[in-house]
Amino acid sequence: GAGVSQSPSNKVTEKGKDVELRCDPISGHTALYWYRQRLGQGLEFLIYFQGNSAPDKSGLPSDRFSAERTGESVSTLTIQRTQQEDSAVYLCASSRDSQGTQYFGPGTRLLVL
Amino acid sequence: GIQVEQSPPDLILQEGANSTLRCNFSDSVNNLQWFHQNPWGQLINLFYIPSGTKQNGRLSATTVATERYSLLYISSSQTTDSGVYFCAAPTSGTYKYIFGTGTRLKVLA
Repeated sequence: GAGVSQSPSNKVTEKGKDVELRCDPISGHTALYWYRQRLGQGLEFLIYFQGNSAPDKSGLPSDRFSAERTGESVSTLTIQRTQQEDSAVYLCASSRDSQGTQYFGPGTRLLVL
Repeated sequence: GIQVEQSPPDLILQEGANSTLRCNFSDSVNNLQWFHQNPWGQLINLFYIPSGTKQNGRLSATTVATERYSLLYISSSQTTDSGVYFCAAPTSGTYKYIFGTGTRLKVLA
C-alpha cells in the first residue's frame, strides 16, 4: 500500500505567521511520530501518538508547537508565531504499533524568513 | 534519558570496500533501529534489532544489548550506499526515540 505522505513538501513563511503541517500515516498503523531535523543534524523527537492514548508531548520545544491526531489517521503539527529557528525539515513516521519498525514520510521543508 | 553515540562521524570508501558502523547507547534498550537517509533526505528503515544479528543482502547488523552497542556492517559497498546512517533507541519506559548524530558515508566509484 501507500507509504507515509506529508504535505506540503516545502513551505516558506514569514516570521510570526502560523503554519500547519500534515501527515498521512500508513493505513492500520497505530503509532505516529513527529521529528525535526535541522540542517546537517540528527533527528529530534517532538511528539508520539499511540492509538487513543494520551500523546507523549515531551519533545515539543515550546508552547508554540502543538499537534493533533484524529484516531489512527491524519496528524497535523501546528507551529504558531513562527521564528527563524523553526526552519528545519519536519519528518513524520508511523509504525504498526509502539514497538514496530518506523516508516518515514518525505518530510516538509520549512523556511521561516 | 538515553544517550546515543555513533562512530565514525564520517567515512569515505572506495566502491567494493567493507565497513563497520558503531552505535553505543547509555541505557538498556528493548528496541533499536538503524536507518539510512539518502542524499535526497528520505529515511529508510534498515533493521529493527533490539538484540542478536540480522542480515539483509549486503547489510547486516548485530546488537549486544548487555554491552550496550550495535554494529552495522556494509559489505561490497556501492555508490548508492552513500548517505547518512542513523541508529535510534527509545528512552526507557517511553517511546521517545533518541537518534544518534549519524555516520555520513560517501562511497566513491
